[in-house]
Amino acid sequence: NAGVTQTPKFRVLKTGQSMTLLCAQDMNHEYMYWYRQDPGMGLRLIHYSVGEGTTAKGEVPDGYNVSRLKKQNFLLGLESAAPSQTSVYFCASRIEFGSSYEQYFGPGTRLTVT
Amino acid sequence: GQQLNQSPQSMFIQEGEDVSMNCTSSSIFNTWLWYKQEPGEGPVLLIALYKAGELTSNGRLTAQFGITRKDSFLNISASIPSDVGIYFCAGPAARAGGTSYGKLTFGQGTILTVHP
Repeated sequence: NAGVTQTPKFRVLKTGQSMTLLCAQDMNHEYMYWYRQDPGMGLRLIHYSVGEGTTAKGEVPDGYNVSRLKKQNFLLGLESAAPSQTSVYFCASRIEFGSSYEQYFGPGTRLTVT
Repeated sequence: GQQLNQSPQSMFIQEGEDVSMNCTSSSIFNTWLWYKQEPGEGPVLLIALYKAGELTSNGRLTAQFGITRKDSFLNISASIPSDVGIYFCAGPAARAGGTSYGKLTFGQGTILTVHP
């Protein structure tokens, strides 16, 4: 049981390049989330999904797209990377159970855009 | 918008000391979560609180759900070097109506440094 995994762990992009970050979870969780973490700003929600085939915008969605074709995978795409997207990206998942808000995080992807 | 404010922003302590940190909200919460993030890793859930006044322990960690439902506290007793990291509080994001889909609002974090 690996929990939540993310690939790649590190990436450097040039401005205008595109890439996809992959998040996978083996806990059969319904809900998945993508966050970015910047110094002094905590974690901010980019997009989220409440189940296979669904996605929704979070707090800072501009410049990102997501897809959830399979329940266990949640992909985050950057179509045209900008230096402002230099950040650490975390994926999280949550089981849909009663009033539980407990989210479980992956190890993160550190992205630098030059 | 909804905000969570953590205090202090950073702490430098000696091994063996006790640590206290808190988190306050501008609105009432029905859940408080405390996470720890070690360098280069993702946040790990430490304690979840679901009831006002609730006091919950996890080893040397104790967290309390404030009775006003606008604050929460985390204490670490007898700190050790591996307690180093950033501690985040989190609570359900405000919603205009209907379900919040489990979305969380996070505080800015308290950075803890422990000197041997």
